[in-house]
Amino acid sequence: DAGVIQSPRHEVTEMGQEVTLRCKPISGHDYLFWYRQTMMRGLELLIYFNNNVPIDDSGMPEDRFSAKMPNASFSTLKIQPSEPRDSAVYFCASSYPGQETYEQYFGPGTRLTVT
Amino acid sequence: SQQGEEDPQALSIQEGENATMNCSYKTSINNLQWYRQNSGRGLVHLILIRSNEREKHSGRLRVTLDTSKKSSSLLITASRAADTASYFCAGGTSYGKLTFGQGTILTVHP
Repeated sequence: DAGVIQSPRHEVTEMGQEVTLRCKPISGHDYLFWYRQTMMRGLELLIYFNNNVPIDDSGMPEDRFSAKMPNASFSTLKIQPSEPRDSAVYFCASSYPGQETYEQYFGPGTRLTVT
Repeated sequence: SQQGEEDPQALSIQEGENATMNCSYKTSINNLQWYRQNSGRGLVHLILIRSNEREKHSGRLRVTLDTSKKSSSLLITASRAADTASYFCAGGTSYGKLTFGQGTILTVHP
């Protein structure tokens, strides 16, 4: 398997623009997680899905952020409008919490810079 | 918000020495996991210990868990330069959600 795939790997945009980050989880994994990592706040869970349904979005900073999972193999995280404080590395991770393992598999991340 | 705190924040050792990192957490957990992150990369799962376990080994890794103190430690024995990375603990629930600590930056000098 190719692992979790994220695109783009780097994104530079101007304040006020819409940004869409994409994620393809590992096939067969039924949990998908979106995280944001910054030096100041560390690694924060933004939202996670189970079987394409959002379970907990309490980590989403504000209404400018939205996430969707239209099917088992694709998810998006959208920021509209973007602000400089949104600059961070955004990670997608997937997992299959079976009986023996709860580990999460992370993608390579998208480095977002908002100027 | 981050659940755990890790200690130390940064650790610098020589190759061959052992590295010990500690983690504390606040809420109840089903399991405690450790991840490694190389610079500019995603996190990679290292080892998981369940809440009813006290110690677990995997290769050069040894993890302990003390649920009464809400703390865990990760020991890397005979460290190598390739072990240089950031290490994160994460408290896990039975439904897969993880809450990560702030991480320890480990530097192993050749």
